[in-house]
Amino acid sequence: AQKITQTQPGMFVQEKEAVTLDCTYDTSDPSYGLFWYKQPSSGEMIFLIYQGSYDQQNATEGRYSLNFQKARKSANLVISASQLGDSAMYFCAMREVNTGFQKLVFGTGTRLLVSP
Amino acid sequence: GAVVSQHPSWVICKSGTSVKIECRSLDFQATTMFWYRQFPKQSLMLMATSNEGSKATYEQGVEKDKFLINHASLTLSTLTVTSAHPEDSSFYICSVRPDAETQYFGPGTRLLVL
Repeated sequence: AQKITQTQPGMFVQEKEAVTLDCTYDTSDPSYGLFWYKQPSSGEMIFLIYQGSYDQQNATEGRYSLNFQKARKSANLVISASQLGDSAMYFCAMREVNTGFQKLVFGTGTRLLVSP
Repeated sequence: GAVVSQHPSWVICKSGTSVKIECRSLDFQATTMFWYRQFPKQSLMLMATSNEGSKATYEQGVEKDKFLINHASLTLSTLTVTSAHPEDSSFYICSVRPDAETQYFGPGTRLLVL
């Protein structure tokens, strides 16, 4: 079964606007972590933000915030005030603490294009 | 600054040769490192977990005799692609996990087998 689902293959946003990238996950492990990474054309994986399953508040890191809805098993990434440099692939990932052998499993990614 | 380095950043080799990729943890001692592979327009897939001083743990479908992993020190893990073939052409990227809330990746190695 797919552990991490990113249903948006591509997203467009205009500069300075906010954009939400969707991510849903599937796990029976009560303890898990959710990650978002940015992959520009250079290929490097840039760590953006982390949300733990027991965290009460949504994670935020600068212009990035994670809309964590535990009951819906969704962990959408919100990028505020988009910049041209935000154009890249974005991957959602999950690590299950007890059942997943601590392995980080990735979704298929969403390509974001920011237009001027 | 960079947490993980990889060398080389890209390599082109002939079919049948072996290629070694190094992954170094720069800021901390990593007892465990992770090797991922990414084919064009696809996501990252975990190949194996490298354990310092012991055998690597390979994911289902990954040939351990083809992808040799050596984790000889707390800062260095190597992946050797033996007898490389064109279908092994891919982007290989290593990763370290300093703590439960972070996991950092190296810059990756692009392998092209002719």
